[in-house]
Amino acid sequence: SQQGEEDPQALSIQEGENATMNCSYKTSINNLQWYRQNSGRGLVHLILIRSNEREKHSGRLRVTLDTSKKSSSLLITASRAADTASYFCATDAKSKGSTLGRLYFGRGTQLTVWP
Amino acid sequence: DAGVIQSPRHEVTEMGQEVTLRCKPISGHDYLFWYRQTMMRGLELLIYFNNNVPIDDSGMPEDRFSAKMPNASFSTLKIQPSEPRDSAVYFCASSPSTGSRDTQYFGPGTRLTVL
Repeated sequence: SQQGEEDPQALSIQEGENATMNCSYKTSINNLQWYRQNSGRGLVHLILIRSNEREKHSGRLRVTLDTSKKSSSLLITASRAADTASYFCATDAKSKGSTLGRLYFGRGTQLTVWP
Repeated sequence: DAGVIQSPRHEVTEMGQEVTLRCKPISGHDYLFWYRQTMMRGLELLIYFNNNVPIDDSGMPEDRFSAKMPNASFSTLKIQPSEPRDSAVYFCASSPSTGSRDTQYFGPGTRLTVL
């Protein structure tokens, strides 16, 4: 499977702490994305990092990508209770003409931030 | 922009009944995706379209499932006959063909319960 796999499956922290989630994948990619899903809602795109990038920031989010290890991490700094959600990584399929346009999602990390 | 619109938001039906889920993608987006999400299997891609043409339907569970996209602003996912194991949240997503092509925009989902 080309799906990304997030680790850990669940993470519970206190407000103000940093949250780190990891993603591993199996095949070559053009880019990797992170999505967030609040309970009962659809997924929302957070950030995209391309295969030639190593690190990217967006507000309190920091994403790293190591293509040699086929892994990525999402760091949320100074977490808030409102960050409680499931976080998914998604990869595209490089050089897969028949599947161009689709993404491969992992199972997600459930983050709980306690006030 | 109103985002991806799905209807109904909730559907409860009895086994054997036909179910039709509807999706209106974001205007101008060329890709449309149908996903199913369950606790057991996570987020599964069922089928996706590019310019109204089905590109990959390998995720469609069986012949009871069918999807159509008669025009650029409307798609349906039909289950006939429905079974209890079809109970899940079904998401529609769309993405543009240029620019942020790789980013998918999800609808709020349809929660289907088959009794």
